Amino acid sequence: GENVEQHPSTLSVQEGDSAVIKCTYSDSASNYFPWYKQELGKRPQLIIDIRSNVGEKKDQRIAVTLNKTAKHFSLHITETQPEDSAVYFCAAPGDSSYKLIFGSGTRLLVRP
Amino acid sequence: AAGVIQSPRHLIKEKRETATLKCYPIPRHDTVYWYQQGPGQDPQFLISFYEKMQSDKGSIPDRFSAQQFSDYHSELNMSSLELGDSALYFCASSRFGSTYNEQFFGPGTRLTVL
Repeated sequence: GENVEQHPSTLSVQEGDSAVIKCTYSDSASNYFPWYKQELGKRPQLIIDIRSNVGEKKDQRIAVTLNKTAKHFSLHITETQPEDSAVYFCAAPGDSSYKLIFGSGTRLLVRP
Repeated sequence: AAGVIQSPRHLIKEKRETATLKCYPIPRHDTVYWYQQGPGQDPQFLISFYEKMQSDKGSIPDRFSAQQFSDYHSELNMSSLELGDSALYFCASSRFGSTYNEQFFGPGTRLTVL
């Protein structure tokens, strides 16, 4: 089955700096990689996703890159703001049922 | 836009009691997923339904059961509750056949077992 590893587990950056979170997956058949942002006690919110037929996708300050050969994908946040502080989860589909296998999460702290 | 609805939002139960969690998917979504998230952990897949049939099963204890009804809402039934069942329970919905079945999460039910 799919296995997703995520690092770092915690990341502290100064406001305005960039943050990068990396994930690796094991199933070469996986073709969809979403990123979720979760604030304390709240629901995971889909912030960006990438399909296997593209290498990069950008949405304002957020971008995701995918390297299918190496089986890893990364989340890039530029010009970080304090409201970006949250836990970020990467995920990949477990199998044909599309259940999501999550990474262990990265707690991002943006210092004002 | 309508979102996934979950009820109740908070639930406190005693050990060995039963609990029922409800999930109402986004309109026109036909697939429901249940996830359990312990403190400081990532969401763990429990079970999913597509068109009222179980489509996949994850790490769901035998004490738990679930179903999806004709109106596509789903219920997670939990019996013989244990302290370790205390967690956030999220329901997510998607529309089968949409691009890669993006999943949208409900606000969750916080279950506390005393």
